[in-house]
Amino acid sequence: DAKTTQPPSMDCAEGRAANLPCNHSTISGNEYVYWYRQIHSQGPQYIIHGLKNNETNEMASLIITEDRKSSTLILPHATLRDTAVYYCIVRAPYQGAQKLVFGQGTRLTINP
Amino acid sequence: ETGVTQTPRHLVMGMTNKKSLKCEQHLGHNAMYWYKQSAKKPLELMFVYNFKEQTENNSVPSRFSPECPNSSHLFLHLHTLQPEDSALYLCASSQQTRTSSGELFFGEGSRLTVL
Repeated sequence: DAKTTQPPSMDCAEGRAANLPCNHSTISGNEYVYWYRQIHSQGPQYIIHGLKNNETNEMASLIITEDRKSSTLILPHATLRDTAVYYCIVRAPYQGAQKLVFGQGTRLTINP
Repeated sequence: ETGVTQTPRHLVMGMTNKKSLKCEQHLGHNAMYWYKQSAKKPLELMFVYNFKEQTENNSVPSRFSPECPNSSHLFLHLHTLQPEDSALYLCASSQQTRTSSGELFFGEGSRLTVL
């Protein structure tokens, strides 16, 4: 699996957009970018994923650079409940169970 | 509510006890996973089951014994654990097909304390 690099921590004011970067310079052509988050003492929660096009769902937007070597997760209007550790993972889906490997992630703190 | 239910949510056991963690998924998925999360450490993948067959054992000590009787249920049997095995144990499931993206759905976890 391609290695990802994320800042260990970030702060954001409530109501503002939170932009979480991820570097994955060794990503392969068939690898997707996945984002998960983990609120304290809960199981991780899937947020969004993408291959090369930008993606948006009800939780967030995912912006992937044209060379696919980095991406940004955007929470458009952060709330206090978005305080969590955010994980960026790259993985090639294949027929069979996925071995998703989680790194240290980014600890995002939303401040009132 | 993610559709993945883990019981018990909290477990305290002695080093000589035998206990089991249970996971049930109501999503119709065909793959299930056990992860371990120790304090201040990333999630560690322990076991992966695909169509009830174990496809991954990430060098887990034999005192942890998984069991997958069907695609909806996954157990982790615990025997003669050590205090350093105290952690949050997370179960997850996913749907693995040629066209699916296979995102994982996690349970809330079972917090284990070994005395």
